Amino acid sequence: DAGITQSPRYKITETGRQVTLMCHQTWSHSYMFWYRQDLGHGLRLIYYSAAADITDKGEVPDGYVVSRSKTENFPLTLESATRSQTSVYFCASRGSTGRYGYTFGSGTRLTVV
Amino acid sequence: AQTVTQSQPEMSVQEAETVTLSCTYDTSESDYYLFWYKQPPSRQMILVIRQEAYKQQNATENRFSVNFQKAAKSFSLKISDSQLGDAAMYFCASLGGGADGLTFGKGTHLIIQP
Repeated sequence: DAGITQSPRYKITETGRQVTLMCHQTWSHSYMFWYRQDLGHGLRLIYYSAAADITDKGEVPDGYVVSRSKTENFPLTLESATRSQTSVYFCASRGSTGRYGYTFGSGTRLTVV
Repeated sequence: AQTVTQSQPEMSVQEAETVTLSCTYDTSESDYYLFWYKQPPSRQMILVIRQEAYKQQNATENRFSVNFQKAAKSFSLKISDSQLGDAAMYFCASLGGGADGLTFGKGTHLIIQP
């Protein structure tokens, strides 16, 4: 099915472990984004990518790494998870202009214990 | 940098009545877009309505409409004939001309009283 798929939907990990959240889109959108959602903060941008092999930091990038070797995939890695990274993570994509809004994945709820 | 402010953490309305959610924004861009997203308990982010800043006419989508006041940098969402399925978090968001992402407000939790 066309759209944007995130996996896993839920993840529990331990402090200090590396964890990767996956994002795959079938729209051939050039732009992709990672957000985290926390109570009282709304959604905050972690990283974004304008095209394959082009990534840039957003508002809250510390502790996260991204890569984009293929247009359709944009994984987010927490290199050494901390409890403060417990959150709901959303991947999103858009076309060349954002005038029609962004398409969001269904989110990953990550708990770091 | 853009900022978006939603001053109502929670709103409550009776079913079938009308409710207005407030949003103000700040941007230095001359060309920008504004959006309202709905997030039901399923967690999915659903685009409700969008407004292009250069258009003076307020956007409307069925029971949802906006009051866009460009000079005041205000972008409120009106929901008419509220239904139980409208219960959700609502996020206001802005997008400037750059490649970076949407800027979101902190959200308004809308409760529909039967």
